[in-house]
Amino acid sequence: SYELTQPPSVSVSPGQTAGIACSGDKLGDKYASWYQQKPGQSPVLVIYQDSKRPSGVPERFSGSNSGNTATLTISGTQAMDEADYYCQAWDSSTYVFGTGTKVTVL
Amino acid sequence: QLQQSGPGLVKPSQTLSLTCEISGDSVSSNIVAWNWIRQSPSGGLEWLGRTYYRSKWYNDYALSVKSRMTINPDTSKNQFSLQLNSVTPEDTAVYYCARVPDSSNNAFDIWGQGTMVTVSS
Repeated sequence: SYELTQPPSVSVSPGQTAGIACSGDKLGDKYASWYQQKPGQSPVLVIYQDSKRPSGVPERFSGSNSGNTATLTISGTQAMDEADYYCQAWDSSTYVFGTGTKVTVL
Repeated sequence: QLQQSGPGLVKPSQTLSLTCEISGDSVSSNIVAWNWIRQSPSGGLEWLGRTYYRSKWYNDYALSVKSRMTINPDTSKNQFSLQLNSVTPEDTAVYYCARVPDSSNNAFDIWGQGTMVTVSS
C-alpha cells in the first residue's frame, strides 16, 4: 500500500520560515493536499492541488510538489500556526494521509 | 456544514453507527463525494470510505474495513451514514465525515466536528 512519510516534529521561531516535507513514491505525479489540525479540532484544509490555497487561508502558507517530495512552507510563522500538519494524496482508489508533523513555534 | 451524530460508546462485536447531516450542499450532488475518516488515539488519519452520485450511487471502501463497513446516503434527510460491524477496541477513534468536491482534485475541503467513539464493554 502507498505510504506518505513526514518528520514527527519541526520547530521554528516566530517570524521565521518552517518547511514540512512529505515523502512518497513518485508523489510528484499525484496531487498533494495539506491539513492543519489544532488540539481538539477537526483538520482544516490549507493547501490543495499541490499549491492552491482555499479561501481564507493566509498567504504565508504555500506548497510545492516534485519528484518524491511535497513540501508545505509557512513563511513568517506566527504562534497561531502551532499545530499538527498532515499531507494527503490519492493513490489506487484510496485516500492516503501522511504520518503527521507537529509544528512548534518557540 | 456537516453535523455528525451518533453514540460515543459501543460494545465489542456490536455495530458502530454514525450519521452526517449536510447543510449548504446536497448528498445527491454530482460534483462531490461524501467520506468517512477516522483518527486513532495515536493521531494517525485513516480514510474509511465514500459515497457519491454520478447518475447512480457508488460506494468505495478502504480494504482494511471493506468487509465490515457500509455507507448509505439518505436523500430524504440530506445526510449519509456509516455502519461498521463487529467492532473491536482497535476501532476506538475519532470519526469524521468530510466532503471532496471534484474541483479540489481529491482534497477534503469541509469536515464534520468529529465523534469520539470508544469500543469497550
